[in-house]
Amino acid sequence: AQTVTQSQPEMSVQEAETVTLSCTYDTSESDYYLFWYKQPPSRQMILVIRQEAYKQQNATENRFSVNFQKAAKSFSLKISDSQLGDAAMYFCAYRSKTGGGADGLTFGKGTHLIIQP
Amino acid sequence: EAQVTQNPRYLITVTGKKLTVTCSQNMNHEYMSWYRQDPGLGLRQIYYSMNVEVTDKGDVPEGYKVSRKEKRNFPLILESPSPNQTSLYFCASSFNRLSYEQYFGPGTRLTVT
Repeated sequence: AQTVTQSQPEMSVQEAETVTLSCTYDTSESDYYLFWYKQPPSRQMILVIRQEAYKQQNATENRFSVNFQKAAKSFSLKISDSQLGDAAMYFCAYRSKTGGGADGLTFGKGTHLIIQP
Repeated sequence: EAQVTQNPRYLITVTGKKLTVTCSQNMNHEYMSWYRQDPGLGLRQIYYSMNVEVTDKGDVPEGYKVSRKEKRNFPLILESPSPNQTSLYFCASSFNRLSYEQYFGPGTRLTVT
């Protein structure tokens, strides 16, 4: 079974600074998806960015980018120019492309990001 | 508007009183699933359904039932709720089991006393 580990329960960053959230995962599969989800106080789950394992190029979405290291099974999220609206819980998640296991998303335990004004 | 809806959004109940949390999607998605979120544990999958009349257990199915009689609806049933089922519940759907994007509902906060 796949596992996802987020080793930082909480991170704090000054507004306008850059912060990196860490995520590692364990899998025996070669093709899969990785995601970062944001959960603000409203509790809505918002997809921030996704990465396909066979794509070597790191995904970017405006101020959000990832550092995907397939061999190391590492998938970190970098937020540039942090804004107050970025304050939220961030979840790293894995999904098999072959439909193995429970077929759903496997989530890490989350990182609570605090933005200091 | 494409969306996943859940009802109720908040529910306080007592141990043993059967309840159903409804989930509906208007995107004609084949795949639907339920997750529960607990502090320090992230989200864990309870049950999933790949299509009408096809359901299967996720990682934490004990104490829950589901049904998929229509493509758009996927209710979560707690026949005899217990306090350890106090949690935040999310329904999610995707086009099929291999689609990369899952659409999440707004969540249901359940408290069992």
